[in-house]
Amino acid sequence: DSGVTQTPKHLITATGQRVTLRCSPRSGDLSVYWYQQSLDQGLQFLIQYYNGEERAKGNILERFSAQQFPDLHSELNLSSLELGDSALYFCASSSFYNEQFFGPGTRLTVL
Amino acid sequence: GIQVEQSPPDLILQEGANSTLRCNFSDSVNNLQWFHQNPWGQLINLFYIPSGTKQNGRLSATTVATERYSLLYISSSQTTDSGVYFCAVTRDDKIIFGKGTRLHILP
Repeated sequence: DSGVTQTPKHLITATGQRVTLRCSPRSGDLSVYWYQQSLDQGLQFLIQYYNGEERAKGNILERFSAQQFPDLHSELNLSSLELGDSALYFCASSSFYNEQFFGPGTRLTVL
Repeated sequence: GIQVEQSPPDLILQEGANSTLRCNFSDSVNNLQWFHQNPWGQLINLFYIPSGTKQNGRLSATTVATERYSLLYISSSQTTDSGVYFCAVTRDDKIIFGKGTRLHILP
């Protein structure tokens, strides 16, 4: 158990809908990272937050947004969903030394 | 952008064998990590290794930043080592993953 929790574990929704994925980092970790893993794109870095502020942006679509709250949990919002957004979404957290600990992931299926 | 290439793409070994996985990257990076994704999908950080050599039990890693490559060594393989091994580099706070090496250890 990495200490990083993600909810929900599975999510099935329809095209055009909006969903929110939640991540709670390990106790004491200030950084949260979001990743998308799909069969055709592989593992892609989406975005990083550090202590509530956006730190780095990767290949995150404009339809996606994220935030980190004062209690350090983070949410990834995916809107206007398309079939191609079906993927495994991972959250990771890290402390100052950047070793990342991953949550179990949320599997999103868009029908 | 930076290209990250991992080799071999697939590897099948007998339990007890040793293996070397390679990660080449096309430009200088701020740091490099190795991850293992087990057959159940869980991602585990193995090494945070921007340069030098580190060891953790049967696993060790070496990064030669000046020559833009990193190696992951697995000795005395066990079936629990099966899964996909990813290399990820960081440059300007952006993280880029390789496509991974899929390792299958036969009992």
